[in-house]
Amino acid sequence: AQSVTQPDIHITVSEGASLELRCNYSYGATPYLFWYVQSPGQGLQLLLKYFSGDTLVQGIKGFEAEFKRSQSSFNLRKPSVHWSDAAEYFCAVGVDGNKLVFGAGTILRVKS
Amino acid sequence: NAGVMQNPRHLVRRRGQEARLRCSPMKGHSHVYWYRQLPEEGLKFMVYLQKENIIDESGMPKERFSAEFPKEGPSILRIQQVVRGDSAAYFCASSRQRAREETQYFGPGTRLLVL
Repeated sequence: AQSVTQPDIHITVSEGASLELRCNYSYGATPYLFWYVQSPGQGLQLLLKYFSGDTLVQGIKGFEAEFKRSQSSFNLRKPSVHWSDAAEYFCAVGVDGNKLVFGAGTILRVKS
Repeated sequence: NAGVMQNPRHLVRRRGQEARLRCSPMKGHSHVYWYRQLPEEGLKFMVYLQKENIIDESGMPKERFSAEFPKEGPSILRIQQVVRGDSAAYFCASSRQRAREETQYFGPGTRLLVL
């Protein structure tokens, strides 16, 4: 069965520090991978997505993610975190039938 | 170009009442998806619809829940005889095409509270 695991429920980083959010997936075919961000009380905004080609994907707001097939991972990174990045981040895999399977999310807190 | 619109944003119902959640997809999008987010959990797929057709309802509870996407008007997620366990945020997403790589654009959600 398809699944997405985000091992970290909460992460706290200092403003200006680097960030890495982990995501592991389980899917038998070629994965179509997404990272979304959700601010409190809001919907989800797409940060970036991976389908094929270069395994390092650039997204909006200075985020990037690297697809590693051997590790079944799609970790999200940002070199320098801003206070406005505080939100909840969801990794997802697109599966047959066009639906998304989401991880449980990682809540990012940024301390000044 | 307006994004995905959902209303109401907040809905309070008493146990046994009906809840109707509406979703208007982005302009040019004919594919609609409903997801439910329970407290402290990620989003779970419920149903995928195209105009006048239900394509995949594998995530819908067997009873009390139904969805439609008529030829004209918004998509509706209907919950009959609500129970406290239905309290959640319900998100609608839309896409232009049916393809795994196609981006789904999400609305702001409807937060349902069942008293």
